[in-house]
Amino acid sequence: EAQVTQNPRYLITVTGKKLTVTCSQNMNHEYMSWYRQDPGLGLRQIYYSMNVEVTDKGDVPEGYKVSRKEKRNFPLILESPSPNQTSLYFCASSLSPGSGSTDTQYFGPGTRLTVL
Amino acid sequence: GDSVTQMEGPVTLSEEAFLTINCTYTATGYPSLFWYVQYPGEGLQLLLKATKADDKGSNKGFEATYRKETTSFHLEKGSVQVSDSAVYFCALDNTDKLIFGTGTRLQVFP
Repeated sequence: EAQVTQNPRYLITVTGKKLTVTCSQNMNHEYMSWYRQDPGLGLRQIYYSMNVEVTDKGDVPEGYKVSRKEKRNFPLILESPSPNQTSLYFCASSLSPGSGSTDTQYFGPGTRLTVL
Repeated sequence: GDSVTQMEGPVTLSEEAFLTINCTYTATGYPSLFWYVQYPGEGLQLLLKATKADDKGSNKGFEATYRKETTSFHLEKGSVQVSDSAVYFCALDNTDKLIFGTGTRLQVFP
């Protein structure tokens, strides 16, 4: 089954304690992306990756890191989480990026993060 | 910059009512337009899309027409069901990412 998986689904942590949210897709997609969803703000892109070893900042990258060592995996790293990073996070992937791309983006089930 | 504006929710309807969720956009060029749906506790799923002016996207009884003259992509359904209760996001494709509206929650009661 084609899917994007994220782990963990729920996480409560404390300020400053490093954490990683994993994302994996089994569709051989080149493009992967992380979003955060906040009430009244919709989804905002954090980072994206066009392919292995190619990553770039989205709209709200501060406080986050990513890596793309393998095509299927795109982990999101919070080196020193703060309460303003409490949010619902989604990973997404699609076949190809690029201007005017109409490829469907496939979303993971989401990770609800609470930083105390 | 490019942006998407959706009507505020929640939208509350009785089963079999007609649904309209408004979406307008601002963009340079001719972006593709999308509606995504998020059911409770799940990620977003593509509902429908349109890639050029006057295109109509449709799926599961939902429709939306790409109107370049009014920069709109309103979502409609003739008869909603309880199972349609979800959050609906309008989005446009901008080079390397999707730009989303803030989402509209739809609640359908029997």
